[in-house]
Amino acid sequence: GDSVTQMEGPVTLSEEAFLTINCTYTATGYPSLFWYVQYPGEGLQLLLKATKADDKGSNKGFEATYRKETTSFHLEKGSVQVSDSAVYFCALSRQSGSNYKLTFGKGTLLTVNP
Amino acid sequence: GAGVSQSPRYKVAKRGQDVALRCDPISGHVSLFWYQQALGQGPEFLTYFQNEAQLDKSGLPSDRFFAERPEGSVSTLKIQRTQQEDSAVYLCASSSPSLTSGRETQYFGPGTRLLVL
Repeated sequence: GDSVTQMEGPVTLSEEAFLTINCTYTATGYPSLFWYVQYPGEGLQLLLKATKADDKGSNKGFEATYRKETTSFHLEKGSVQVSDSAVYFCALSRQSGSNYKLTFGKGTLLTVNP
Repeated sequence: GAGVSQSPRYKVAKRGQDVALRCDPISGHVSLFWYQQALGQGPEFLTYFQNEAQLDKSGLPSDRFFAERPEGSVSTLKIQRTQQEDSAVYLCASSSPSLTSGRETQYFGPGTRLLVL
């Protein structure tokens, strides 16, 4: 079945450091790929997405490129801020009938220190 | 417009009690999903509705779990005879199919945190 593997946390960085959170997936067909973020005390929010190979999703300085050859969707940001501290979830969505249910990774806790 | 809302936000139940969790999706969204998020884990799919039809309930962990969406808008997830292993955050998400690709972005509610004692 479908699965998502993301790097285990926690990840602790200083402000303005470079961020990479690795994500790889296993799925048949052509899934869509997502990064969701969960800030402390809040619900899941879509951060960015990509729907086909070589697409790059971007938002709030974060980027991720859909690499079909390596089945990866790594999240990057050039300069993190304290406000980026949150749990980040990589996910995929694949059509099964009319259902596009999401399959999530376990999440990576990011803490950014001033 | 308003986002997905869920109630209650927190629920404490004694083992064996029945609970009902409510989800109000974004107005006009056809698709509605329920997920279960255990502590320190990613959300896991429970069930899916398209309008009032429950098209996939493959993720429901036991027959104690039941979901409905009778009028194609509000949905209720019911857990009968709760057990301690049911303690988790229950997330609801809604989406509307893209007319161009059919691919959907799911919008999540804040979740209901259930604690079974």
